[in-house]
Amino acid sequence: AQTVTQSQPEMSVQEAETVTLSCTYDTSESDYYLFWYKQPPSRQMILVIRQEAYKQQNATENRFSVNFQKAAKSFSLKISDSQLGDAAMYFCAYRSASGGTSYGKLTFGQGTILTVHP
Amino acid sequence: DVKVTQSSRYLVKRTGEKVFLECVQDMDHENMFWYRQDPGLGLRLIYFSYDVKMKEKGDIPEGYSVSREKKERFSLILESASTNQTSMYLCASSFSFSSGAKNIQYFGAGTRLSVL
Repeated sequence: AQTVTQSQPEMSVQEAETVTLSCTYDTSESDYYLFWYKQPPSRQMILVIRQEAYKQQNATENRFSVNFQKAAKSFSLKISDSQLGDAAMYFCAYRSASGGTSYGKLTFGQGTILTVHP
Repeated sequence: DVKVTQSSRYLVKRTGEKVFLECVQDMDHENMFWYRQDPGLGLRLIYFSYDVKMKEKGDIPEGYSVSREKKERFSLILESASTNQTSMYLCASSFSFSSGAKNIQYFGAGTRLSVL
């Protein structure tokens, strides 16, 4: 079974600075997807960024980028030019790309609470 | 925009009560999921459904059941609520696995359930 670990329960950053959230995972599969989800205080989870394991290029979405190290099974999220609206709980998640009974279900990490100081 | 709607934001129930949590999605998604969110544990999958009347157990199905009579609606049922089921419950939906890159889960706002 796959596991996802976020070792930083809480992180903080000054507005306009850069912060990196860590995520490691364990899997025996070679093809999979990795995700970062954001859960603001209002609680609706939204997808921030997605990485396909077979793609070597790191995904980027505006101020959000990832550092995907497949051999190390590491998937960190970098937030540049942090804004007050970035304050939220961030979850790292894994999904198998193979079929069978997985039906695309996600395995989540424990979450990291990000605080942004003005 | 995809909309996943959970019927209640907050719910308070008594031990032993039967509890229904409802979830509706408007994107014609095949898959629907129920998660439980607890501090320090992240989200854990309770049950999911890949088609009408079809369901599969997730990682923590004990004490829960589900119902999917219509494609857009997925219900989580606590047959006899217990205090250890006090938690945040999140519903999600997605296209089928065969949709490949479109297989992204969209979440509802969550239901905070307290069992007293």
